Amino acid sequence: DAGVIQSPRHEVTEMGQEVTLRCKPISGHNSLFWYRQTMMRGLELLIYFNNNVPIDDSGMPEDRFSAKMPNASFSTLKIQPSEPRDSAVYFCASTPVAGFSYEQYFGPGTRLTVT
Amino acid sequence: DQQVKQNSPSLSVQEGRISILNCDYTNSMFDYFLWYKKYPAEGPTFLISISSIKDKNEDGRFTVFLNKSAKHLSLHIVPSQPGDSAVYFCAAGGSQGNLIFGKGTKLSVKP
Repeated sequence: DAGVIQSPRHEVTEMGQEVTLRCKPISGHNSLFWYRQTMMRGLELLIYFNNNVPIDDSGMPEDRFSAKMPNASFSTLKIQPSEPRDSAVYFCASTPVAGFSYEQYFGPGTRLTVT
Repeated sequence: DQQVKQNSPSLSVQEGRISILNCDYTNSMFDYFLWYKKYPAEGPTFLISISSIKDKNEDGRFTVFLNKSAKHLSLHIVPSQPGDSAVYFCAAGGSQGNLIFGKGTKLSVKP
C-alpha cells in the first residue's frame, strides 16, 4: 500500500519566490495535517483538515502561508513570498478517522531551503 | 509555551542495556499519548501509544509508562539495539484529534 506521498522531496528557492508543497494522503483517510520541523522549535503543527475542511490553522506562522485541500486525495501548502527563515522540513500526515484516531501516518517530508 | 516537553535532546546507551526516554506535559486534558520514531530523511513512524486511563502499555521491547499525577510519561526500550538509534518524539492527543509533539530526543545505541 502506498503511504503518504509528498512532493517535491527537496526544494531550493530564492527569497521572494513562491513555493508550493504537495501531499497525497493515504486513500480513505479523512484527516490531514501539515507540520514543520526545525531544530529550534521541533515538530510544529501548522494546520489540519477534517474531511477536506480546515479545522485549526492557528499554527500557520503568518499570512504568507496558506493551505488548501480541494479534495480527499490532495492538499497543498503554499508560501508566498518565501523567506530564509522558512527553511525547514515540512511533513504531511493523515489519519483514518477524523477526530478519533490519533495515530498519524507521516510522509517522507519536503526539505525546503530558501536562500 | 510548550505543552509537551522532552528535556533531554540526546541519550547514549550501550547495546543490550535499557534506554529510558522521558516526556513531561502540562495539559491535564490530554487523553492519549504516543511515541514516534524518526530516522534521518524519513517521516516519523508510530511506535507505541497509551490512553490516559492506563498507566502502562507494553509491545515487545517497548513499554510506555504514564504517571498522570506527575504529568510524566516515559518510554523504555529493553534491550536496546543499534537499530533503535533514531530521534524519538513524544506526542499528546487532544479532544479534536490533533497531536502536540515534543522536540524529540536523539537516541544513540552503541554496539
